[in-house]
Amino acid sequence: AQKITQTQPGMFVQEKEAVTLDCTYDTSDQSYGLFWYKQPSSGEMIFLIYQGSYDEQNATEGRYSLNFQKARKSANLVISASQLGDSAMYFCAMREAFNQGGKLIFGQGTELSVKP
Amino acid sequence: EAGVTQFPSHSVIEKGQTVTLRCDPISGHDNLYWYRRVMGKEIKFLLHFVKESKQDESGMPNNRFLAERTGGTYSTLKVQPAELEDSGVYFCASSQQTGEKLFFGSGTQLSVL
Repeated sequence: AQKITQTQPGMFVQEKEAVTLDCTYDTSDQSYGLFWYKQPSSGEMIFLIYQGSYDEQNATEGRYSLNFQKARKSANLVISASQLGDSAMYFCAMREAFNQGGKLIFGQGTELSVKP
Repeated sequence: EAGVTQFPSHSVIEKGQTVTLRCDPISGHDNLYWYRRVMGKEIKFLLHFVKESKQDESGMPNNRFLAERTGGTYSTLKVQPAELEDSGVYFCASSQQTGEKLFFGSGTQLSVL
């Protein structure tokens, strides 16, 4: 079964508008962490934001925020005031607490294109 | 501070040949991970080193793949002999402590023809 699902293979957004990238996850673990990474055309994977399963507040990092809905098992990434440089692949990932090694499980990714 | 570096950035080889990918983690990072993304699919875990020891190699596809991290510094991932389905982007990541966020390299694009 897919542990991390990103249902949007591609998304378009107008510059300066906000965009939401969807991510749902599946785990029976009570303690887990959720991550978003950005992969621009240069190839490097850039960490954006982290949400712990016990965090009561939604995580925010600058223009990035994570809309964490635990009951729905969703961890959507919201990018406010989109910029042309936001065009990239975005990956949602999860780390389960029982996994002592800290490895991440990734979704298929969403390709975001920001239009001028 | 240098990030995670991977070499080569691209490799094109023929089926049956051998290829060795290299990863230099951030200095001082004991944890080193290898991941792979096959075209259009999700990024999949291959294995995890803690220093020079293999902590978890459950994601290694088969015995054509051999990863090493002698001395606990850089790591190599060798594919021998390469098959068409091995094509994809191979990522390396490191972290100082287990459970911390991972810092990724830019990946090696491997094409097996």
